[in-house]
Amino acid sequence: KAGVTQTPRYLIKTRGQQVTLSCSPISGHRSVSWYQQTPGQGLQFLFEYFSETQRNKGNFPGRFSGRQFSNSRSEMNVSTLELGDSALYLCASSLGDHSYEQYFGPGTRLTVT
Amino acid sequence: TQLLEQSPQFLSIQEGENLTVYCNSSSVFSSLQWYRQEPGEGPVLLVTVVTGGEVKKLKRLTFQFGDARKDSSLHITAAQPGDTGLYLCAGVSNNDMRFGAGTRLTVKP
Repeated sequence: KAGVTQTPRYLIKTRGQQVTLSCSPISGHRSVSWYQQTPGQGLQFLFEYFSETQRNKGNFPGRFSGRQFSNSRSEMNVSTLELGDSALYLCASSLGDHSYEQYFGPGTRLTVT
Repeated sequence: TQLLEQSPQFLSIQEGENLTVYCNSSSVFSSLQWYRQEPGEGPVLLVTVVTGGEVKKLKRLTFQFGDARKDSSLHITAAQPGDTGLYLCAGVSNNDMRFGAGTRLTVKP
């Protein structure tokens, strides 16, 4: 089975711009979760989508949003970028059952200048 | 929101040494997972423990879930440079999953 893929792998944006990141889960996985990882804050949960519905949400401002398509692929969007949004954004897919076992993609490294 | 504390934050040892890292919380978890993350990659699931007192072994790695399901430990025997990475624990409670900050392990040849 192919693993979780994320595009793009690297991105440089300017403050005030917006960005869209994409994630393709493992075939058969219905849940996609997004995380932000920074050296100072560690791995922070953004949100989880299951069957095209947001099932869980972390404590991030409304500038961070996401969606999931019928084929389980997911996108996350960050509007009005701030310098502090520079981070590694990780997507993880899972079956969506109560095991919560996550299979991570390689991440998108976002740099905001 | 449950808080997971991992210790130590950083650990640097020589090849061949043994080590233990810890994951502690005041919350009870229905399950707990350990991941390892290498530079430039996403975390990789190592193990899931679900029963209090459970011990799981993965080659030189031994994982233990506390009796009260509030804490866990990871013991590595005869560490190798390939064990270098960020070790993360993640707890599941009330359909909510949260990660600890991780232990960054460096094994020197």
